[in-house]
Amino acid sequence: KQEVTQIPAALSVPEGENLVLNCSFTDSAIYNLQWFRQDPGKGLTSLLLIQSSQREQTSGRLNASLDKSSGRSTLYIAASQPGDSATYLCAVKETSGSRLTFGEGTQLTVNP
Amino acid sequence: EAGVAQSPRYKIIEKRQSVAFWCNPISGHATLYWYQQILGQGPKLLIQFQNNGVVDDSQLPKDRFSAERLKGVDSTLKIQPAKLEDSAVYLCASSLGTWNTDTQYFGPGTRLTVL
Repeated sequence: KQEVTQIPAALSVPEGENLVLNCSFTDSAIYNLQWFRQDPGKGLTSLLLIQSSQREQTSGRLNASLDKSSGRSTLYIAASQPGDSATYLCAVKETSGSRLTFGEGTQLTVNP
Repeated sequence: EAGVAQSPRYKIIEKRQSVAFWCNPISGHATLYWYQQILGQGPKLLIQFQNNGVVDDSQLPKDRFSAERLKGVDSTLKIQPAKLEDSAVYLCASSLGTWNTDTQYFGPGTRLTVL
């Protein structure tokens, strides 16, 4: 059974800092990995999707990497802003089907 | 483009009562998902529909939860009877198809409190 873990559970940083969020998964037989953002009272928004054959994806100040063999992914946020404050979730899609298995999320607070 | 719509946004009920949630996916999206997100946890898939057929309901507690997607568009998720542990946010998502690269678009969710 696939298990996804995210560390840290919560993170508070001053504005402008670069930061890294971590995600690990137990079964390396994944098809892709996705990072989502969740704002309070709102649904999830997809940020980046990395196929299992890819090493990284970039969008603006966000960069996600994937090391499938070690079961790890990182989300790098450059020059953090207060508007980045949200919960960040990673999810893996398994090869055998289209179910997403989510981690518990990292709650990020960026202080002005 | 309109997003995924859900109603109600909030619901408070007593245990053993029944409750129903409604979801309207993005127009043209064949696949619809219901997730349960307990506070402090990531979403867990309850059921996945492809058009009006069930693709995956392996994590749906079928003794009390049911879902339907009539005509392959809107969907309803029902809980009968509700238990305290059903308190959670119920998220609906939709995607164009079941291809592994499909992006899922999420609605705002329905926050259920069972007293």
